[in-house]
Amino acid sequence: GDSVTQMEGPVTLSEEAFLTINCTYTATGYPSLFWYVQYPGEGLQLLLKATKADDKGSNKGFEATYRKETTSFHLEKGSVQVSDSAVYFCALSADSNYQLIWGAGTKLIIKP
Amino acid sequence: DAGITQSPRHKVTETGTPVTLRCHQTENHRYMYWYRQDPGHGLRLIHYSYGVKDTDKGEVSDGYSVSRSKTEDFLLTLESATSSQTSVYFCAIRGGAYEQYFGPGTRLTVT
Repeated sequence: GDSVTQMEGPVTLSEEAFLTINCTYTATGYPSLFWYVQYPGEGLQLLLKATKADDKGSNKGFEATYRKETTSFHLEKGSVQVSDSAVYFCALSADSNYQLIWGAGTKLIIKP
Repeated sequence: DAGITQSPRHKVTETGTPVTLRCHQTENHRYMYWYRQDPGHGLRLIHYSYGVKDTDKGEVSDGYSVSRSKTEDFLLTLESATSSQTSVYFCAIRGGAYEQYFGPGTRLTVT
């Protein structure tokens, strides 16, 4: 069945460092791909999305490109801030039954 | 802001008591979802709805029931709460590109 695999955390970086959080997927059909962010004590927020191959989603300095050839959707940011500390979830849409398939989440810790 | 509210936001209850959580949306979305989030388990789907009175089970539906008598409200009921149902519960609605938008969550503690 469809699945999402993302890198285990926690990922610890210094402020202004470059961020990559890896996400790969297996899916039948042509899913949409998403990154969500969850700040401590809060709900999940949609960070960015891509609906077809080669699409690039971007928001708040974060970017991810839908790579069908490598079945990947890696999250990147050029210069992280302490306020980016959160848990990041990768997800894909499963066309059958309209659910999202979720990765396990990656905790990001940014140190000043 | 997808206009989703959840109530209550926090609840403490005793084992064996019934509990109902409410999710309310203001934008007439057809699809609604209930998840639970636990450390080490990520997000797990409990039930979802694809219209008024149309619901289906998710991966962890045992011990939970749902109802949707109006488009805007999706209720999650724990018929007899157990300590294993202590969790944070999130409601979500589906957007136009299959993305989901989440409510603020309900923290439930069963003692």
